[in-house]
Amino acid sequence: DADVTQTPRNRITKTGKRIMLECSQTKGHDRMYWYRQDPGLGLQLIYYSFDVKDINKGEISDGYSVSRQAQAKFSLSLESAIPNQTALYFCATSAGAGSPLHFGNGTRLTVT
Amino acid sequence: QKEVEQNSGPLSVPEGAIASLNCTYSDRGSQSFFWYRQYSGKSPELIMFIYSNGDKEDGRFTAQLNKASQYVSLLIRDSQPSDSATYLCAVGSNDDYKLSFGAGTTVTVRA
Repeated sequence: DADVTQTPRNRITKTGKRIMLECSQTKGHDRMYWYRQDPGLGLQLIYYSFDVKDINKGEISDGYSVSRQAQAKFSLSLESAIPNQTALYFCATSAGAGSPLHFGNGTRLTVT
Repeated sequence: QKEVEQNSGPLSVPEGAIASLNCTYSDRGSQSFFWYRQYSGKSPELIMFIYSNGDKEDGRFTAQLNKASQYVSLLIRDSQPSDSATYLCAVGSNDDYKLSFGAGTTVTVRA
């Protein structure tokens, strides 16, 4: 089983819809992150969390919100999806500062 | 803004050759350095990490770090078609909340 699991793997939605992407992990890491990746571009940080009471905005948080329901669960919501949010979304975990990120399998989101 | 720059690709190498990937970073306080491999449409996979100046070898991969020059590289020896992927350089520091990623270098190994 994967250490970092994302659901769904693929999602097609219409403009204006609210959707949620979910992430769960069994690595026991406190730090969790959401990134998006667009074709030919690097990874952009959306939100990150160091524990259930600590949520922080990343570089591109506008139009997104998150919830840390438990140490192992971190969900990303698009309040009102728009086409330029079409991208590949990754959840990641980390053991701490200076440690590598461990990525989930990703969610391919298409907004029509 | 902490910047991580990688040599622009794509990099095409013949099977069996050495692929050399370069990465420079702007934050002199950086202390942790990672190389990820990403196949098209898949998630980044950690393949190497290095914390100290010098070389670190793992199988066909060698990471080289020079903190004075703010430079980290990845060598892939005996390149195989399965090495065809995008390689991401990531840099972190002990007082930062995240890793900074380069845009990636795409490597194609031709048979």
